[in-house]
Amino acid sequence: AQSVAQPEDQVNVAEGNPLTVKCTYSVSGNPYLFWYVQYPNRGLQFLLKYITGDNLVKGSYGFEAEFNKSQTSFHLKKPSALVSDSALYFCAVRRGSGGYNKLIFGAGTRLAVHP
Amino acid sequence: KAGVTQTPRYLIKTRGQQVTLSCSPISGHRSVSWYQQTPGQGLQFLFEYFSETQRNKGNFPGRFSGRQFSNSRSEMNVSTLELGDSALYLCASSPSLAGGFADTQYFGPGTRLTVL
Repeated sequence: AQSVAQPEDQVNVAEGNPLTVKCTYSVSGNPYLFWYVQYPNRGLQFLLKYITGDNLVKGSYGFEAEFNKSQTSFHLKKPSALVSDSALYFCAVRRGSGGYNKLIFGAGTRLAVHP
Repeated sequence: KAGVTQTPRYLIKTRGQQVTLSCSPISGHRSVSWYQQTPGQGLQFLFEYFSETQRNKGNFPGRFSGRQFSNSRSEMNVSTLELGDSALYLCASSPSLAGGFADTQYFGPGTRLTVL
C-alpha cells in the first residue's frame, strides 16, 4: 500500500531563514513524488515533482526538494523564507506504473513564516 | 491557457438531496481526477476519468459517481447526501499522454459543499 507521512503539523520559521518541510513515503516500485501548496480558500498549486534523474529537484517560487531513496524521503526546502510562503503544504506520491493519476497525499504541514 | 475551472464554487444542500459538481479541465488535458478534502480525512482520491472512461477509483461508497464527456469536461454526482459529505471537492486535470505516468495534475479552486 502507498502512504505518505508529513511528521510535522506546523513549521514555524523566521523570515529570511531557511525552511524545511519533511515528507517520507512508502510505495511499491519506483515512486513519483510531488509537492503542492494550498492558500486559504484556494485549490492546490503545483510546486515541483521528482520522476527520475537528479535527486535535487528545483521548482516554483524558489522551492526545491531532495529525493533520498535510502531514507524514502522527499523534503521540501527553501534557502530564505518569505512571509508570503505561509500556507499549507502537501506531499504526494504516485506509484510509478499502473497508478495512473491516483495521488496519495500526506496530511499536510502548515508553514508559518514570521516577520 | 486558462486553468481548471469548477462550478459552482459554493453549494449548500440538505441531507438526502443529491448534488452535481462540474469541472472543466485545462484545454488539451484528457484526464480528470476528483478528490475530497476534509479536516478529518485530509485529501482523498475519488476517481479518475480518461477518454470518457473511469480508469481508477478510490474507496468511496457508490453514492459517489462521475462521468466524463467527449470534450473532457467532467461531472461528479453525490446522491443521498450525508452530513459527512461536507467537504471541499477538488478537480484536477493532466495531459495523460503516453500513459501519463510522469504527468503533473493541475487543480481547480474546488467546490465547497456544505450539507445541513
